[in-house]
Amino acid sequence: NAGVTQTPKFQVLKTGQSMTLQCAQDMNHEYMSWYRQDPGMGLRLIHYSVGAGITDQGEVPNGYNVSRSTTEDFPLRLLSAAPSQTSVYFCASSLISGPHGELFFGEGSRLTVL
Amino acid sequence: KNEVEQSPQNLTAQEGEFITINCSYSVGISALHWLQQHPGGGIVSLFMLSSGKKKHGRLIATINIQEKHSSLHITASHPRDSAVYICAVCEAGGGADGLTFGKGTHLIIQP
Repeated sequence: NAGVTQTPKFQVLKTGQSMTLQCAQDMNHEYMSWYRQDPGMGLRLIHYSVGAGITDQGEVPNGYNVSRSTTEDFPLRLLSAAPSQTSVYFCASSLISGPHGELFFGEGSRLTVL
Repeated sequence: KNEVEQSPQNLTAQEGEFITINCSYSVGISALHWLQQHPGGGIVSLFMLSSGKKKHGRLIATINIQEKHSSLHITASHPRDSAVYICAVCEAGGGADGLTFGKGTHLIIQP
């Protein structure tokens, strides 16, 4: 049982490049979300999804796109990377739609934008 | 938006000590999460509670809804408990985006 799998674990980008952070879960969870973690700040929600075909913006969505074509996968796309997007990114899922149930997190993806 | 405050920000203790980490919030909630993050590692859910008290091994979480306060206790602390402990709250009536995180408490247990 893999849980929540994030790839890559580390990535270095140049300003203006694009990339996709992958997130997959094998627990048939309806709710999936992306957070970023920055020093001195709590985790902040970027985008979330309550089921396949449904996505919505969180607190800090600018510069990021998501899609949810299947229950299992929830990729996060950086369209044109900026140094302000240097951060650690976490994908999370929950069986219950919304953050009212136990949260399962991926291992994190450390992104550096030069 | 809920304001979530954790205290202390940093805590260093000796192995075996009883540890208490506090979390207070400003707006009524439907659920509170305690999470653990090891250095360089992922985040693990420890507890999700909406009232009373929960216990798992040496960890105990309590919540007082009236006082808008929760505590995480660690009994007989061990160096492997060294981690960042994060409190997160889900606002009452909040939607799927209604989770606010504290900044975390960095705990070091020395042998």
